[in-house]
Amino acid sequence: AQSVTQLGSHVSVSEGALVLLRCNYSSSVPPYLFWYVQYPNQGLQLLLKYTTGATLVKGINGFEAEFKKSETSFHLTKPSAHMSDAAEYFCAVSEIAGGTSYGKLTFGQGTILTVHP
Amino acid sequence: DTGVSQDPRHKITKRGQNVTFRCDPISEHNRLYWYRQTLGQGPEFLTYFQNEAQLEKSRLLSDRFSAERPKGSFSTLEIQRTEQGDSAMYLCASSSTGGYTFGSGTRLTVV
Repeated sequence: AQSVTQLGSHVSVSEGALVLLRCNYSSSVPPYLFWYVQYPNQGLQLLLKYTTGATLVKGINGFEAEFKKSETSFHLTKPSAHMSDAAEYFCAVSEIAGGTSYGKLTFGQGTILTVHP
Repeated sequence: DTGVSQDPRHKITKRGQNVTFRCDPISEHNRLYWYRQTLGQGPEFLTYFQNEAQLEKSRLLSDRFSAERPKGSFSTLEIQRTEQGDSAMYLCASSSTGGYTFGSGTRLTVV
């Protein structure tokens, strides 16, 4: 069974500061890993994903994440926070579905990011 | 391609009533998923379809819940005899080898 743990349900940073959102996963097979962002009363928007290949993944809006197999981690970072980054962020892991498609996602509990002026 | 569409966006219903939600996936995506998200939680998997076949159902999906995907196109999720605990955001997603896309969700409030 897969699981995801996001350390810290709330993270607060100042505008311009480094953003670090932590995610650890558990999976019995090589995972696909995702970070999603959710704004109030909206669906989930994909920030970035790791499937295979380069372990440092760059996404939209200046975010990136690094897959570290030895630490079973996939932490999300952004060098300089912007007010518009304030939202809830979810880490997710997917089983690989027969090599032809993504499978169901297992999500973490989410981290609410607050950005102060 | 307009992405994954869900209808309605919001639904308020009285306890005990039946509700039905619709999801239109990206046309070339063969897999369709339903998730439920309650306040302060991450989305939880409910069920998924590959084409028209429902291949897995979560234990969260009680007998009051039923999902269909006739002809492998759009899907419906019906909740019978709604309870206050059913209040949540219901998210639909579709996937292929190229990606995994979520709709904007249907917010259900049971009063």
